[in-house]
Amino acid sequence: TAGITQAPTSQILAAGRSMTLRCTQDMRHNAMYWYRQDLGLGLRLIHYSNTAGTTGKGEVPDGYSVSRANTDDFPLTLASAVPSQTSVYFCASSALDPPGTGELFFGEGSRLTVL
Amino acid sequence: AQSVSQHNHHVILSEAASLELGCNYSYGGTVNLFWYVQYPGQHLQLLLKYFSGDPLVKGIKGFEAEFIKSKFSFNLRKPSVQWSDTAEYFCAVNATTDSWGKLQFGAGTQVVVTP
Repeated sequence: TAGITQAPTSQILAAGRSMTLRCTQDMRHNAMYWYRQDLGLGLRLIHYSNTAGTTGKGEVPDGYSVSRANTDDFPLTLASAVPSQTSVYFCASSALDPPGTGELFFGEGSRLTVL
Repeated sequence: AQSVSQHNHHVILSEAASLELGCNYSYGGTVNLFWYVQYPGQHLQLLLKYFSGDPLVKGIKGFEAEFIKSKFSFNLRKPSVQWSDTAEYFCAVNATTDSWGKLQFGAGTQVVVTP
């Protein structure tokens, strides 16, 4: 069972360049999320989506954008990367059934280094 | 908005020792509570969760946690740790009224179990 697939696994990016982190799930979950993980800060929510066609801002949305064209895919785009966006990015999904149970399933993570 | 506080950033203990990790949250309403574990180089996995009912919940790998509502706490315990329990542990909370299922994570506790 694949679950959640993220790509790339690791990437080094020059500051000012754009980058899209891909996330695909095969569990038909309604909700999807992007978190970044930084040492000492835990996981912080960047953007989320409750269903295809809708997205929302999390705790640290600045510099990131997302789209949810269908149930399975939830790409995260950095339009113009900055060094402070160096982090490990985790995509997650949740069935939201029943609503509010909130159990998340995570992908393997994408390690991004911005120089 | 809710917040989550984990008391220890790093814990080092020997095999067979008992483990207790503290977690407190701040939120005035009803919450769902989670502990996730991240083994070295891996993604987050759910250890256990509390939605309602018996405040003492048992999870995988011999872990348990107790929800004490009056103390806004959800401490994780294991009576006897193994070297394979070396990992980072995250407490997380979401509000039951949050239909988006967004989780608020603590900063994490790095646990190192020595042989």
